[in-house]
Formats: sequence, structure tokens, C-alpha cells
Amino acid sequence: GAGVSQSPSNKVTEKGKDVELRCDPISGHTALYWYRQRLGQGLEFLIYFQGNSAPDKSGLPSDRFSAERTGESVSTLTIQRTQQEDSAVYLCASSLARAPEQYFGPGTRLTVT
Amino acid sequence: GQNIDQPTEMTATEGAIVQINCTYQTSGFNGLFWYQQHAGEAPTFLSYNVLDGLEEKGRFSSFLSRSKGYSYLLLKELQMKDSASYLCAVPNDYKLSFGAGTTVTVRA
Repeated sequence: GAGVSQSPSNKVTEKGKDVELRCDPISGHTALYWYRQRLGQGLEFLIYFQGNSAPDKSGLPSDRFSAERTGESVSTLTIQRTQQEDSAVYLCASSLARAPEQYFGPGTRLTVT
Repeated sequence: GQNIDQPTEMTATEGAIVQINCTYQTSGFNGLFWYQQHAGEAPTFLSYNVLDGLEEKGRFSSFLSRSKGYSYLLLKELQMKDSASYLCAVPNDYKLSFGAGTTVTVRA
């Protein structure tokens, strides 16, 4: 079946612009996660959705970052007034409720110039 | 919090064996994952250990010692396609905490 998909695959933006990243989880997966991977570093947790609610937003690095999920499906991660330090690969993952294994999408590579 | 350590880089020859170690310190323990990530691609699941011991899956095996806070991933009969980053991860309730990853380079 189809895996997790993300769009765009690459995004180059100017400092100060807003960007929106999209994630389509595996059908039937109620849990959805966003992670960030900076060059040469491990994945950092950003936010977790169970259904449409986000019980844990503790990983969001600043109030410029926000995320929403509609219809227990698609999620969007929005970064406002982008900064150069936001440059990274943003990975989305999904899982069945309470299942430990997460399935990852290919990521969106964001470059802020 | 979680503290997960693994070597940054390893190099090995095609056909050889490589062992990637991972040590962790966690406030609770709910198993340990290994993921493989090729450059520019999504991490893909390799193994999930909850109990102590060795679990073998083809050319890849994963070992866990909960008392020592230690795991390793063993890659046997290395192939060029095994060149990738290998990520050790520990679940913290619903989210995963990752090590920085070990880049394995397989040489002919």
C-alpha cells in the first residue's frame, strides 16, 4: 500500500518568508509525528498528533512554528518568518494508535537563504 | 530525558561484518529501534528490541542488554547497498528519541 508522502520534496525560500509543509500519512494511522533533521544531527521531535488533536507540542522550537491536522489525515507544518537556522529536512511519520513502530515519509528539504 | 550515543562513522569492506553500538540512558524503557536511512531518503525500520538478547533477521541482527543500557546492530556479509546511516532510537511514550546516527561506508 501507499506509504507516508510529503510535499514539496525540496523548498528554497528567502529569510522572512512563510512556508507550509504537507504530510499525508498512511491510511488508517491515527498517530502522526513531525521531526526535524539538521545536517549531521539526529532527528528532533517537533509535535505529535493523535487524531486531530496535538497533545504534545513541546518540541516546536519557537512560536513561529505551528501545525494542524484535519480529518485524521493530512497534516501541515507552517513556519512563519523563516530564519536560516530553520534549514533542515522535515520528516513526517505515522503509526497505528499506541503502536511503537513509526513509518517515515521521505521528508521535505527546506533551505532558507 | 533521553541520552543516546552511537559512533559517528564506520567504514568496512564488502563482505565483511560491522557492529554499530548504541548506548542509552532513559527515564523509562519501552524498547529500542534501529532504522536505516539512505541519503535523501526516509528512515526505514530495521528492528525493535524489547527483551534482552539477540534477534536475527537475515544479514542484520540486533542485540539488547537492558541492564547495561546497550544495544548493537550487526551487519553481516556487507554489500555496497548497505552504505547508509543507521539510527538508534528509543521510544519516550509515543515519540522517538534518536541518536545522531552512524554513517556506514562500504568499500569494494
